[in-house]
Parts: sequence; structure tokens; C-alpha cells
Amino acid sequence: DTGVSQDPRHKITKRGQNVTFRCDPISEHNRLYWYRQTLGQGPEFLTYFQNEAQLEKSRLLSDRFSAERPKGSFSTLEIQRTEQGDSAMYLCASSLAQGISGNTIYFGEGSWLTVV
Amino acid sequence: GEDVEQSLFLSVREGDSSVINCTYTDSSSTYLYWYKQEPGAGLQLLTYIFSNMDMKQDQRLTVLLNKKDKHLSLRIADTQTGDSAIYFCAESKGVNAGKSTFGDGTTLTVKP
Repeated sequence: DTGVSQDPRHKITKRGQNVTFRCDPISEHNRLYWYRQTLGQGPEFLTYFQNEAQLEKSRLLSDRFSAERPKGSFSTLEIQRTEQGDSAMYLCASSLAQGISGNTIYFGEGSWLTVV
Repeated sequence: GEDVEQSLFLSVREGDSSVINCTYTDSSSTYLYWYKQEPGAGLQLLTYIFSNMDMKQDQRLTVLLNKKDKHLSLRIADTQTGDSAIYFCAESKGVNAGKSTFGDGTTLTVKP
């Protein structure tokens, strides 16, 4: 197993463009999480899925952000009409949902977004 | 609301012990976590402690929890240069670490 993988690792885009990030979780993990992390801060929870169902969305997830996990495997996070304030690292993580396994989440290496 | 606070920087000499501190405000936190982040990478879970415990030891790592004061610490024994990284404290309610609230991290620098 190669762990959680994210693509692309880096993205530079012009303000107003749309961007999409992909996350492939660890294969047997049914929970998948998205976070945003800016320099000097910890990760901020954005949303999470259990299988294909999106169970929770943070108020940080404005209507320009949408996340999907159509078949309960990989997930995409799309940002429409990007703004400079969207510049951050977008982290994905996955875990199992059963019992104490939910306490161990595995992070990907993140996708860096720079909006110019 | 929920808040997790950490000091920003810690510098130690190789071979010394490091102690990283964290305070949190939410008394209903059930699990508390420590993560390590190396430059340009995601976070790696180091250890976690259930709120009804006051200590947990795992090789060079010792976690102390003072639930009354809502204070958590991570002690790293015999600190090595490879321990240089950012350490994040986090708390969650229930067994869903993915919904944790994270602190802003403590940058540990280990000098040879």
C-alpha cells in the first residue's frame, strides 16, 4: 500500500480560474477528510466522507468549494473562481471508521495552491 | 468555542529531552493527539491519549495529560536532529480523529 496520495502536489493558478485536487486514500479506508493549512497554522477541517456520503462540511467550505467521492474511493476537491485567499496547502487524510481505528488518520503530503 | 494553544518555538541540544506543551479549552474533549510534520509533508500521527488517562509512554515519547488544567505535554527523550519538525497538538470528541481541532504547531529545532 502506498499510503494516501494527492495530485497535483503544486498548482499555480490565476485568480478567477477553477482548480481541482484529487486524493486517493488508503484502499480499505472508508473515511476521507479534507483540510486546509496555511503557513504557521495547523490544519483546518473542511469536510469528510464516509464511503460516498459527505457527512459534514465546515463553515469554512464556502459555496465556491465542492468535494465529491463518487464511488467511495478517490475524492476530488474543486475550488471555483479562485481568490488569493485560497492560497494554502490542501491536505487529505483517510481512516477506518470501525471503533478505535477511527483514532488513527493517515495524511497525504498535501497539494499546494498558489493563486496569483 | 474550541481552542488549542501551543508555544511557537522550542530549541534543544541533541541528546537532551524536549518538552512541548499544549493547552485546550473544550472540557468535552475525549482524545488528544500529537502529530509531527516535516517540511513540505503531511502530518504523521505520533501518539494519542484518552482523556481518562494521565500518562502514556511509547518508546522515547511520553504524553502527560492534566485534565483539570486542560494541559497536555509531549516529552521526547534523547532528542535527535531527525526530530526537528513542527509538532501539532489536537483534540477530538469521540473516536473520529479526522474531525480534530489542531493547534498552530510548535517548531522544534534540535542543534547538534
